[in-house]
Amino acid sequence: QVQLQQSGAELVKPGSSVKISCKASGYTFTSYDMHWIKQQPGNGLEWIGWIYPGNGNTKYNQKFNGKATLTADKSSSTAYMQLSSLTSEDSAVYFCARRRLGARYWYFDFWGPGTMVTVSS
Amino acid sequence: DIRMTQSPASLSASLGETVNIECLASEDIYSDLAWYQQKPGKSPQLLIYNANSLQNGVPSRFSGSGSGTQYSLKINSLQSEDVATYFCQQYNNYPLTFGSGTKLEIK
Repeated sequence: QVQLQQSGAELVKPGSSVKISCKASGYTFTSYDMHWIKQQPGNGLEWIGWIYPGNGNTKYNQKFNGKATLTADKSSSTAYMQLSSLTSEDSAVYFCARRRLGARYWYFDFWGPGTMVTVSS
Repeated sequence: DIRMTQSPASLSASLGETVNIECLASEDIYSDLAWYQQKPGKSPQLLIYNANSLQNGVPSRFSGSGSGTQYSLKINSLQSEDVATYFCQQYNNYPLTFGSGTKLEIK
């Protein structure tokens, strides 16, 4: 069955970077976009961007240009998101989510459990 | 960006009741709308896509409707396990955007 396993919670200092992971199993990793979504405590959901592991293509929400960098390792079926120049505004839970296959299906049929990132000195 | 205005922000209803959650898009999204359920401490789960298609495994008491800019999620015969926050998401245009959520509680 499809599973997305995310790395554990991170406590990081302002100004630093963090890289979180999302290991996929139960499907062909290279055939599906992987998306990343941010959720701040008590807040809604913000879409960050996607990566297509098959060829490494990416697309970002302009708001996260320069903040988030998406990569993928086909050999381990793992997607990564690096967040840089961290501030308190980056404290949130970050989800990876698989997009349903199909040209017009830009919604998410499987989600990871989330990785909490806390930015604090 | 397409703004998704969700209402109400919170809702309290009795077991067995029917509830409706609304989502208003700032422009026509041509039924490119999904609904998710997020239980406390968990990740969102897909309920509805294409505005009115039920995701496999989702109980039939959940249904979606709407077109243009106005959409709704209906839950019939409310059950205790339906306590959650519900989000809509448009996928007609980038960036993909979500509603702010509706927190559903049992009265």
